[in-house]
Amino acid sequence: EAGVTQFPSHSVIEKGQTVTLRCDPISGHDNLYWYRRVMGKEIKFLLHFVKESKQDESGMPNNRFLAERTGGTYSTLKVQPAELEDSGVYFCASSQITSGGAGEQFFGPGTRLTVL
Amino acid sequence: QKEVEQDPGPLSVPEGAIVSLNCTYSNSAFQYFMWYRQYSRKGPELLMYTYSSGNKEDGRFTAQVDKSSKYISLFIRDSQPSDSATYLCAMRYTGGFKTIFGAGTRLFVKA
Repeated sequence: EAGVTQFPSHSVIEKGQTVTLRCDPISGHDNLYWYRRVMGKEIKFLLHFVKESKQDESGMPNNRFLAERTGGTYSTLKVQPAELEDSGVYFCASSQITSGGAGEQFFGPGTRLTVL
Repeated sequence: QKEVEQDPGPLSVPEGAIVSLNCTYSNSAFQYFMWYRQYSRKGPELLMYTYSSGNKEDGRFTAQVDKSSKYISLFIRDSQPSDSATYLCAMRYTGGFKTIFGAGTRLFVKA
């Protein structure tokens, strides 16, 4: 069974440009999460989808970040316009529907974003 | 104050040593406690998972949770070079989906 996949693995862009990250969750997983790790800091939660609905977007840093999950399958995270402080590794994770904190979240390999 | 504190290391041990990793946390509402292992250029992989207080053992790995002290530990027995990785503690509230991570401890096991 394929795990969580993310594309691209690495993206280098100029400040002010737009970047779109993609995540394909494990088939059948209704929960999809985005996390990110900026240099020297811990991995932090960005948002949580259940199917195509945003359940919790409390971790989104500002309105330059837009996450979508059309059709409840893959998800995209767009950063527009990108700033230097957006550099980091963006992880996607997915899990089956469970009662809250009990479910295992499976992580993808991450997309390393560098903003110059 | 961070919700979860973890010494980033690095921690270097000889092969065969017992490794002790730990985290402290501030919010007593955390009920699910996890340890993830992350190899370079990979995503975090769940290693151990504990609900509330107590111990859990899986092969060479033992996880301990002491809710009275807000302290969790991971022990690795007979450490191997293949155990060299970053170990992240993580927590969730009951009913919560958001995972709160520690900074991760970088472990090197020397052959």
